[in-house]
Amino acid sequence: GEDVEQSLFLSVREGDSSVINCTYTDSSSTYLYWYKQEPGAGLQLLTYIFSNMDMKQDQRLTVLLNKKDKHLSLRIADTQTGDSAIYFCAEKERGKLIFGQGTELSVKP
Amino acid sequence: NAGVTQTPKFQVLKTGQSMTLQCAQDMNHEYMSWYRQDPGMGLRLIHYSVGAGITDQGEVPNGYNVSRSTTEDFPLRLLSAAPSQTSVYFCASSPGPQGTEAFFGQGTRLTVV
Repeated sequence: GEDVEQSLFLSVREGDSSVINCTYTDSSSTYLYWYKQEPGAGLQLLTYIFSNMDMKQDQRLTVLLNKKDKHLSLRIADTQTGDSAIYFCAEKERGKLIFGQGTELSVKP
Repeated sequence: NAGVTQTPKFQVLKTGQSMTLQCAQDMNHEYMSWYRQDPGMGLRLIHYSVGAGITDQGEVPNGYNVSRSTTEDFPLRLLSAAPSQTSVYFCASSPGPQGTEAFFGQGTRLTVV
């Protein structure tokens, strides 16, 4: 079955790195995604990774994929107060996006 | 650039009332979906469509109907609203099964009293 799991909360200090973790179950997923949701807004795609990649870096964002363990992580370097939001990982299965519960990132000054 | 437009943004219904949440996209995307977002549960797929005239059920379809008569529009109908349908509803569209990005509307906050 389809299942994507994330921890619900993460709190960091401004300037530290944040690491948000996600596990998924569908080994045939071609794409894995990270979405960001700011308060009162819809979801915005942050980054994605193809399943044949181990790592993708995009400015302050680093995505790591461990296919063997079905584990995906998002690292945000030099976390800022503007990074406070809910972060969703998602896998695509037969054209449908399956989301985790979302991790609420709180950045303290 | 309109993208995905949802209306209304807010709605209060009484138990048993029916209503339609509207979703329109102007990107000629084939795939459209409806999700509901509840605290601690992430986004759950209600219904989706892979093209005009084609719809299918997602994870939580009960109490909702959809139709897709055009590529642009994908309305979600609540047949007889219940308090358990109090949620934030998001519509999304994407170019196709291999498309790398889904575009989301701003959401409709629905309260059923």
